[in-house]
Amino acid sequence: DVVLTQSPLSLPVTLGQPASISCSSSQSLVHNNGNTYLHWFHQRPGQSPRRLIYKVSNRDSGVPDRFSGSGSGTDFTLTISRVEAEDIGIYYCMSWPSTFGQGTKVEIK
Amino acid sequence: DVQLVQSGGGVVQPGGSLRLSCTSSGFTFTSSWMDWVRQAPGKGLEWVANINPDGDDKYYMDSVRGRFIISRDNAQNSLYLQMNNLRPEDTAVYYCARNPEFSAFDIWGHGTLVTVSS
Repeated sequence: DVVLTQSPLSLPVTLGQPASISCSSSQSLVHNNGNTYLHWFHQRPGQSPRRLIYKVSNRDSGVPDRFSGSGSGTDFTLTISRVEAEDIGIYYCMSWPSTFGQGTKVEIK
Repeated sequence: DVQLVQSGGGVVQPGGSLRLSCTSSGFTFTSSWMDWVRQAPGKGLEWVANINPDGDDKYYMDSVRGRFIISRDNAQNSLYLQMNNLRPEDTAVYYCARNPEFSAFDIWGHGTLVTVSS
């Protein structure tokens, strides 16, 4: 089974500064159809998760363009170009069919 | 509005049963894979089960296989999770989610808390 390892698990950030979260897979996530099904979700305290990025780098409608996803094979990154207060919460990477990373808690310094 | 409205949940003793429901609106439920994802208190997200649009293809995580049953009623635009022989470690908030392709869950329910305790 695929294991996804996120780092860091806790990320204190300064408003207006960049932040990045890494997601490393125990095996290549390239599907035999050529696509890579690695997605990113954000969960604010007390809320349901929300999808931010799908298939590595596709930003969802309504997601600010300060969020971007990158990577390939086994190593992936979620980047926030300038952190805003509403970005706090826990970020999860997930790969098909059923594996979530442990989550990275983002909080303001 | 596109939404998933959940019901069911509550407190149950170990060995007991509960049924969760998830009713959709605003999208074509009958052509969607649907999943259940859970989150134990203070823990991360954990995939539980999913079902294909026709309801004849189902998958489960190892620890619930044989105890949980996922099902759907396309005429009612509804998804269900029948949970039997519940264990304390099943205590969690359970979310239903639409799975448009390869686990890219794009619509989530509000979650419902299941507590298994004597």
